[in-house]
Amino acid sequence: DAGVIQSPRHEVTEMGQEVTLRCKPISGHNSLFWYRQTMMRGLELLIYFNNNVPIDDSGMPEDRFSAKMPNASFSTLKIQPSEPRDSAVYFCASSSTGYPYEQYFGPGTRLTVT
Amino acid sequence: QKEVEQDPGPLSVPEGAIVSLNCTYSNSAFQYFMWYRQYSRKGPELLMYTYSSGNKEDGRFTAQVDKSSKYISLFIRDSQPSDSATYLCAMDQAQKLVFGQGTRLTINP
Repeated sequence: DAGVIQSPRHEVTEMGQEVTLRCKPISGHNSLFWYRQTMMRGLELLIYFNNNVPIDDSGMPEDRFSAKMPNASFSTLKIQPSEPRDSAVYFCASSSTGYPYEQYFGPGTRLTVT
Repeated sequence: QKEVEQDPGPLSVPEGAIVSLNCTYSNSAFQYFMWYRQYSRKGPELLMYTYSSGNKEDGRFTAQVDKSSKYISLFIRDSQPSDSATYLCAMDQAQKLVFGQGTRLTINP
């Protein structure tokens, strides 16, 4: 299996622009998670889906952030408009249901907003 | 106060040393305790997990959980330069994982 695939790997954009991050989970996994990692705050869960349905979006920082999962093999995280404080590494992870809920992480997207 | 506390380090030790990494937590409902390893510019990968209290050994790695003290540890024996990474503890909360800050570890040859 190719593992969790994320694109792009790096994104540099200007403040105010729309940013879209993409994720393809491992085939057969029915849970998908979006995280943000910064030096100051560590790894934070933004939102997660079960069977393409958003279950918990309490970690989404603001209305500028939105996530969708139109099918079992694709998800997007969108930031509109982007701000410099959104600069971070964004990870997507997937897992199958059932304990211990081992999550497999993608390589991440390094976002820089200038 | 964060639910999971982990000393961010950095921690630097010579090759061959025994390394001890620790986390404390406040939520007594946590049942699964995990350790993830993250190499520079990579995603975290699950190293090992433990259910409830007790020890679990996997090669040079031992995970220990003390639920009465709300304290978990990861021991690395005969540490190697390839063990240099950031180690994150994580605990389950109804399918969500709550991560510690991560400890950056460097093993010096």
